[in-house]
Amino acid sequence: EDKVVQSPLSLVVHEGDTVTLNCSYEVTNFRSLLWYKQEKKAPTFLFMLTSSGIEKKSGRLSSILDKKELFSILNITATQTGDSAIYLCAVRFLMETSGSRLTFGEGTQLTVNP
Amino acid sequence: DGGITQSPKYLFRKEGQNVTLSCEQNLNHDAMYWYRQDPGQGLRLIYYSQIVNDFQKGDIAEGYSVSREKKESFPLTVTSAQKNPTAFYLCASSREREGPQFFGPGTRLTVL
Repeated sequence: EDKVVQSPLSLVVHEGDTVTLNCSYEVTNFRSLLWYKQEKKAPTFLFMLTSSGIEKKSGRLSSILDKKELFSILNITATQTGDSAIYLCAVRFLMETSGSRLTFGEGTQLTVNP
Repeated sequence: DGGITQSPKYLFRKEGQNVTLSCEQNLNHDAMYWYRQDPGQGLRLIYYSQIVNDFQKGDIAEGYSVSREKKESFPLTVTSAQKNPTAFYLCASSREREGPQFFGPGTRLTVL
C-alpha cells in the first residue's frame, strides 16, 4: 500500500528558530514529491522535487529529496509567526491504468510563537 | 483573474439529502481533482479527471459522484449514501498530469 508519513505531527517553536520537517514515503512508480503550506483554507504550492540531491529554495524555505532513502525535508530558517500553518507533503506516483495521482501525508502543524 | 473557485463556502445539509459542490477553473488546466479533509488529517482523494468526459475513482469514492462535461467545471455530488459527509472539501487542478496541483478555497459541508 502506498504510504506517506510526516513527522513531527506537531511542532511549537519561537520566532527566529530554524525548523526541519520530515516526509518519508513508500510508493511504487514514484514520480515526484510536493510540499504545500495550508494556513486556513486552500493549500498553497511550495516546491516540487523530482531529482535527488538538488535543493530547491525560496526565501527562508528550502527542500531536498533523497530517492535512495525515500524521504524529503523542508527547512525553514529564521521562522516568523506568519510561518504558522500545516505543512503537507504529497507524493505523485504512476497508476497502472489511469495516469498519475498524489497521495498526501497527514501534515505537520507548525506553530511559531513571538 | 485566473484561478479556481468553489461554491458555496459553507453548506448545511439534512441527512438523506444529496448536495452538489461546484468547482470551476479558468486556468485552462486539463486535470481536476476532489479531495476531502477531516480535522487533523491530510487530504484524501475522492475522484479525479485527467480529461473532459473521463474521470476515475480515488481512495474514498463511495457515496460520491462527479461529472466532467466541460474542461472548466468538475462538480461533486455528495449523495445520501455517504455515511459521514461532514468535512472540508477541496478542489484542485493542474496543467499537466504531472504538474503541481493548485487548490480552490474549499467548501465546508456540515450534515445536521
